[in-house]
Amino acid sequence: GAVVSQHPSWVICKSGTSVKIECRSLDFQATTMFWYRQFPKQSLMLMATSNEGSKATYEQGVEKDKFLINHASLTLSTLTVTSAHPEDSSFYICSARDSWGLPGNTIYFGEGSWLTVV
Amino acid sequence: GNSVTQMEGPVTLSEEAFLTINCTYTATGYPSLFWYVQYPGEGLQLLLKATKADDKGSNKGFEATYRKETTSFHLEKGSVQVSDSAVYFCALSADNNDMRFGAGTRLTVKP
Repeated sequence: GAVVSQHPSWVICKSGTSVKIECRSLDFQATTMFWYRQFPKQSLMLMATSNEGSKATYEQGVEKDKFLINHASLTLSTLTVTSAHPEDSSFYICSARDSWGLPGNTIYFGEGSWLTVV
Repeated sequence: GNSVTQMEGPVTLSEEAFLTINCTYTATGYPSLFWYVQYPGEGLQLLLKATKADDKGSNKGFEATYRKETTSFHLEKGSVQVSDSAVYFCALSADNNDMRFGAGTRLTVKP
């Protein structure tokens, strides 16, 4: 079945540095990918919608200059957390939908990436 | 806007007990409905889905029926196992295709 892969699974970075998380669709093309954030014991909150070849659409309250999203190809979207701070520590999950899928088709999720900022 | 309201936990059951986790939704158009499961430290796994009214999704003994008249998609399982312990998320995907999640329900099944 369709697979979405995230890398890295775990990352620890120093406060003030930037960290990049990759999201790849391994066996399908995805014009649209989604980035979510999940705090411990809470639900997933949509951060932004990543559109291949164009700017991402951010949800209200999400800082676009802090969470840079690039969707340069049909199989890769990246989330860069710039100038990370401890409060950015979280579980980040991406998802992707097959470009040729009809509405209602399953959106596939990556395994998630744990970010810890120290 | 589109949203999902999910029964909050935690829920603790004994093995072989009956499980119901309630989920209701608000949406424009005709959303698809999903249940995802998240095991500790892992990402989300699709458990089941339904794309139109009266559809029943089922997998691994879990079932949920898309009820348009009550805007509900309750998750049920007749006999839970210890291995079912996880967090369960109800979600919907409407015309714009992004996924909206419920708050999640933590299920613990004791032997």
